[in-house]
Parts: sequence; structure tokens; C-alpha cells
Amino acid sequence: QKEVEQDPGPLSVPEGAIVSLNCTYSNSAFQYFMWYRQYSRKGPELLMYTYSSGNKEDGRFTAQVDKSSKYISLFIRDSQPSDSATYLCASLGSARQLTFGSGTQLTVLP
Amino acid sequence: ETGVTQTPRHLVMGMTNKKSLKCEQHLGHNAMYWYKQSAKKPLELMFVYSLEERVENNSVPSRFSPECPNSSHLFLHLHTLQPEDSALYLCASSHSGRDFTDTQYFGPGTRLTVL
Repeated sequence: QKEVEQDPGPLSVPEGAIVSLNCTYSNSAFQYFMWYRQYSRKGPELLMYTYSSGNKEDGRFTAQVDKSSKYISLFIRDSQPSDSATYLCASLGSARQLTFGSGTQLTVLP
Repeated sequence: ETGVTQTPRHLVMGMTNKKSLKCEQHLGHNAMYWYKQSAKKPLELMFVYSLEERVENNSVPSRFSPECPNSSHLFLHLHTLQPEDSALYLCASSHSGRDFTDTQYFGPGTRLTVL
């Protein structure tokens, strides 16, 4: 079983839609949770990170962690074509290494 | 240039070739990383250097050999690779290699194809 599971998509939504991206993880030691965005032909860039359970909001983006169900979510409100990218979830546990999901490819159609 | 740069951006090599990937960070960071990104698979951490000392080596085959001559430069030397080594190789840097909560900044990657 992979430590971090992520639906690879692809996911296509119309402009303005609310997007929900999700990951599950298996290692209870994971404490920090991150979302990276990767545009085509670019490296990943950190979008948001959260510690333990709860929500964190940054503009149109909300990261949510539910440690009881080992579920990580990223919500994008009022999605834009410029949000089209691959979104990677990642977790950091006691091994001090980032463990990544395989990424979800998102396309926002104008 | 700013941030993290990688050269070459694309590389095609035969199984008997020897080549090197180069990474340079202009952020004043002390830690640098090599990752492998294969299609539909998670990023795999290969090596971590902190203050030019290798601190992580995730059971990577010896045909991959990293070198970190200073805190701004990182190389990945390649020899006798296999076709399954074809992937995007990403370099990243962070302020500290000891605190893995530090944000990692990625370069654009080198797209490697092994024939």
C-alpha cells in the first residue's frame, strides 16, 4: 500500500467551479501536510501547508486535514484556467522525508 | 537567473553513455535534493545534501552518483543507465536539510530519456 494515495484524474471542470482535490495517507506519524502545484514543464511549487488537523485558507484555496480519517483535501473556489496544473499532496512524518502522492491533473475550461 | 536552475532541460542518452545533470540554486540555501518523477508515480526522493554533506540516500542504484561541491551546486552523474531510468529529474533546495518542514524550492527538471 502506498503511504499517500491520490486520484490521478484527469479532472476537468468549467471556469468558476469549486474544485475538490483529495488524498489519503496511511502513516499515523505524518504531521505536516502540503499541497504543491506543478505547471507543465515546470517543477512543483509549494501552494499551502498545514500542521495536524484543521483548515487553512489562502485566497481561493483552502487546505483541510482530517487526521481521524487520514484524509487531506484542497479546495479551489472560483477556479480559473490559470489553475490548470497537476496538484501534488505530500506529507512529512517522523522519517523527515516528504512523501508525495502521484498528483492529480486538473484542467479548468474557459 | 533566480531560484533553482537545471541543465540540460532535455537529455537523450544511450545505455553505455556517461552524462551529468547540473543544478544551481541562487537562494542562499544550505540543502539540496534530487528527486525522480516518473509518469503517474509519486516523486521519489533520491539524495539530500545539507551543507555539502550527504544526509539521505534512499537506496538509489550506484549508476546514479551525486556530487555537491558547494552549497550552491549539485550534480547527478549518470552511467550505464537502463530504459526504466527515463524520467524527469528534479532538483530542489531549502534553507536547511535538517528541518524538513522548510519549504523546498524546485527547479524545472531535466527530462531524461534512456534508449
